[in-house]
Amino acid sequence: DGGITQSPKYLFRKEGQNVTLSCEQNLNHDAMYWYRQDPGQGLRLIYYSQIVNDFQKGDIAEGYSVSREKKESFPLTVTSAQKNPTAFYLCASSLRQGALQREQYFGPGTRLTVT
Amino acid sequence: EDQVTQSPEALRLQEGESSSLNCSYTVSGLRGLFWYRQDPGKGPEFLFTLYSAGEEKEKERLKATLTKKESFLHITAPKPEDSATYLCAVQVTYGGATNKLIFGTGTLLAVQP
Repeated sequence: DGGITQSPKYLFRKEGQNVTLSCEQNLNHDAMYWYRQDPGQGLRLIYYSQIVNDFQKGDIAEGYSVSREKKESFPLTVTSAQKNPTAFYLCASSLRQGALQREQYFGPGTRLTVT
Repeated sequence: EDQVTQSPEALRLQEGESSSLNCSYTVSGLRGLFWYRQDPGKGPEFLFTLYSAGEEKEKERLKATLTKKESFLHITAPKPEDSATYLCAVQVTYGGATNKLIFGTGTLLAVQP
C-alpha cells in the first residue's frame, strides 16, 4: 500500500532535549511538508521541501530543523530552542506542482509531549 | 492578510438530517481549495479539490461547491460514521514558485443515531 508513515505515534521528552520525528513516503512524491496542529488553530506550516537536498522555512520554523537527503524521507528535529514544542505534528506530501496545486496527503501524525 | 474561516465551529445533526458547512476565504490569488476529513488523533484525509467558481465535486453523501468567496460542504442524509472534523484549506502562492495551504480551524461534526 502506498502512503505516508510517521513514527513514533506518541513521543515524550524532557524539556531541553532535542527530538527527531520520522516521516517516510512511498508515493513517489517530490514535495514534502511538516505542519503542527494545536487545539483551536489551523494547521501551520513548519518546513517544506520541493526536491531532495533542498528545503525552505514555513511560517513557524523557529526552533525546528529538517533534512531531505532522500526523496522518501523528511525527518523533523524539534530542538530545545522551540518554546512550546508540545503539539500534534503532521507530515504531508504531494506531487510537485505545475500550474495547479495537487492535493497533499497526510501521515497519521506524531503527538509530542514535552515536560 | 490571507485568511480562511470555517463555520460553524461545531455542528450536531440527527442521522438523516442534511446540512452544510461553510468555508469563507480572503486570499490574493486563489489557486485551489481543498476539503479534508480528520478523525480524532489521526491525520487529515483528502476529500476534494476545487479550482474555480462554479465547480462542484461529489463523493457519497458529500458535495463540495465553490464560489468566488466561499465554499460549502453539503452533507446529505448523514450517518454516524460521517462524524469527524472537516477542514478547509486554500492554496496560495508562497515564496514565488511554491504554493502553500492555509487551513481553517475546522468544523466538528457529530451525527447522532
